[in-house]
Amino acid sequence: EDQVTQSPEALRLQEGESSSLNCSYTVSGLRGLFWYRQDPGKGPEFLFTLYSAGEEKEKERLKATLTKKESFLHITAPKPEDSATYLCAVQAGGGSQGNLIFGKGTKLSVKP
Amino acid sequence: ETGVTQSPTHLIKTRGQQVTLRCSSQSGHNTVSWYQQALGQGPQFIFQYYREEENGRGNFPPRFSGLQFPNYSSELNVNALELDDSALYLCASSDTGSNQPQHFGDGTRLSIL
Repeated sequence: EDQVTQSPEALRLQEGESSSLNCSYTVSGLRGLFWYRQDPGKGPEFLFTLYSAGEEKEKERLKATLTKKESFLHITAPKPEDSATYLCAVQAGGGSQGNLIFGKGTKLSVKP
Repeated sequence: ETGVTQSPTHLIKTRGQQVTLRCSSQSGHNTVSWYQQALGQGPQFIFQYYREEENGRGNFPPRFSGLQFPNYSSELNVNALELDDSALYLCASSDTGSNQPQHFGDGTRLSIL
């Protein structure tokens, strides 16, 4: 069964304290892995797509990496405005384009 | 560029009623997907529409149905509402082609009393 597990469920950081979020996946043929940010009361906001092991993407203080079993979202010197829930999703081979399988998310809180 | 818009933002219904949620896709996008997100959970895929036809469906009963219109906007209809249908319903649009990222609206919060 295709599934995505994110850890930790919640993470509290001080401003400037770098850390990483983990996304472990089990899928029958990975088409793509997606990272989203979700603020309370809002829809998920697209951050990155990763397609193959070894690939990396960066955007401001965020960097996403991918291996054959997991992805990491590295947050460097976070600011309070980085506080949000970060969702990881995979698209499996054989599924329709729309069939993204999401993890439960990691709720990140950054204190000033 | 206009993003994905959904209406209404909030809705309260009672058990057994029917509901229709609406979504306008992002400009240039021809594929629409619908997701259900329960509190504290990740979104779950309901179904996808491409060129006005259903193009994939998740593990949801037939009382969840949809439509896509020629302008690529879409509707999600839910019949015989149950208490467990209370959730945030998200619409996402994307361009044609495998692996294109999906862009989400802010959802409709549906509460069933």
